Amino acid sequence: DVKVTQSSRYLVKRTGEKVFLECVQDMDHENMFWYRQDPGLGLRLIYFSYDVKMKEKGDIPEGYSVSREKKERFSLILESASTNQTSMYLCASSLGQQLDIQYFGAGTRLSVL
Amino acid sequence: DAKTTQPNSMESNEEEPVHLPCNHSTISGTDYIHWYRQLPSQGPEYVIHGLTSNVNNRMASLAIAEDRKSSTLILHRATLRDAAVYYCIVGSNFGNEKLTFGTGTRLTIIP
Repeated sequence: DVKVTQSSRYLVKRTGEKVFLECVQDMDHENMFWYRQDPGLGLRLIYFSYDVKMKEKGDIPEGYSVSREKKERFSLILESASTNQTSMYLCASSLGQQLDIQYFGAGTRLSVL
Repeated sequence: DAKTTQPNSMESNEEEPVHLPCNHSTISGTDYIHWYRQLPSQGPEYVIHGLTSNVNNRMASLAIAEDRKSSTLILHRATLRDAAVYYCIVGSNFGNEKLTFGTGTRLTIIP
């Protein structure tokens, strides 16, 4: 089974802190994705990556950056956390084929105080 | 991506069939229909996908209208573990484009 592991289930950070959310997949998938999920808004794509060192902006990239130095790892970075970034963050990976299936991690619930 | 419309919520009794509808009236000829579900406190998981013909797998069945402007996810015998948010997504090249999940249908199973 594909496994997508997010480093933390719950995080509490202070406003202005730099926050790293880590995601690792074990199936040699080409694509990796970061979403945030908020009540009433569904899942919204922040950034995605088709290959190592490659990234593309999603729908809501403002306030975020990403890093993919190795194929299996995709990091989401909040340079200066703000309270409006309190949310559930979901990482996903996929093979990179036309009929692709995305495999999701369990999510990280981030609270910025 | 074609836009989809789903009811916000549905209820069903345990051990009865559940039909979850999705409208996608702007679907193009090359768009596939995918369904995902999100169990409480978990990330979404893939359920099933189809193009034109009805599809079955161990989790569910997918019935696609002849004009492809709507589809129905069928859970043949709902259990309490099927309580989740179900998302219908359409697109033609999932490997190279983002998924637009929308808000889905929250399914409640009544014991």
